Amino acid sequence: AQSVSQHNHHVILSEAASLELGCNYSYGGTVNLFWYVQYPGQHLQLLLKYFSGDPLVKGIKGFEAEFIKSKFSFNLRKPSVQWSDTAEYFCAVKGPNTGNQFYFGTGTSLTVIP
Amino acid sequence: DTAVSQTPKYLVTQMGNDKSIKCEQNLGHDTMYWYKQDSKKFLKIMFSYNNKELIINETVPNRFSPKSPDKAHLNLHINSLELGDSAVYFCASSLRQGPYEQYFGPGTRLTVT
Repeated sequence: AQSVSQHNHHVILSEAASLELGCNYSYGGTVNLFWYVQYPGQHLQLLLKYFSGDPLVKGIKGFEAEFIKSKFSFNLRKPSVQWSDTAEYFCAVKGPNTGNQFYFGTGTSLTVIP
Repeated sequence: DTAVSQTPKYLVTQMGNDKSIKCEQNLGHDTMYWYKQDSKKFLKIMFSYNNKELIINETVPNRFSPKSPDKAHLNLHINSLELGDSAVYFCASSLRQGPYEQYFGPGTRLTVT
């Protein structure tokens, strides 16, 4: 069975601090990887995605993520967070044998203090 | 021009009732999903469905049933509601083939009293 692990459950940062959120998955084949963000009271929105090619992926709002195949990881980064980045962040994986299904991590709650 | 819409946004009902949540997408996608997000924000797939295949998460009680009148709609019907069904339910859609992302609806907050 697939699994996606997000080790940081709750992260608190001051504005301008750098962010890195961990994501590891268990699937051994070719995968597609995603990070979604859920702002308070809102639905999930796509931040960025990795399908193939350059393992360093740029997303919206200054976010990026690096796919490291040997570590089964897809960590999310941002060099300088803002108060408006306060949200829940979800990593997700989809593989060719998962059918249509995404497997989501348990989420990381980010609080940015002004 | 909302991509994925859900109604209602909020639903408060009593235990034992039967209720439905509607979902519509105008993205031309062929696959739709229902997720349940609990109070700890954990997001769990309930169903994925296209016109050929329904995939059910085996942990979902059979009180929950998806109904799709056409490719653009996937409604969720819940029988005999229980307190533990209280959650936010998200509908999503995507294309079946290819590594395409899912687009999510705004969610329906269900409260069972």
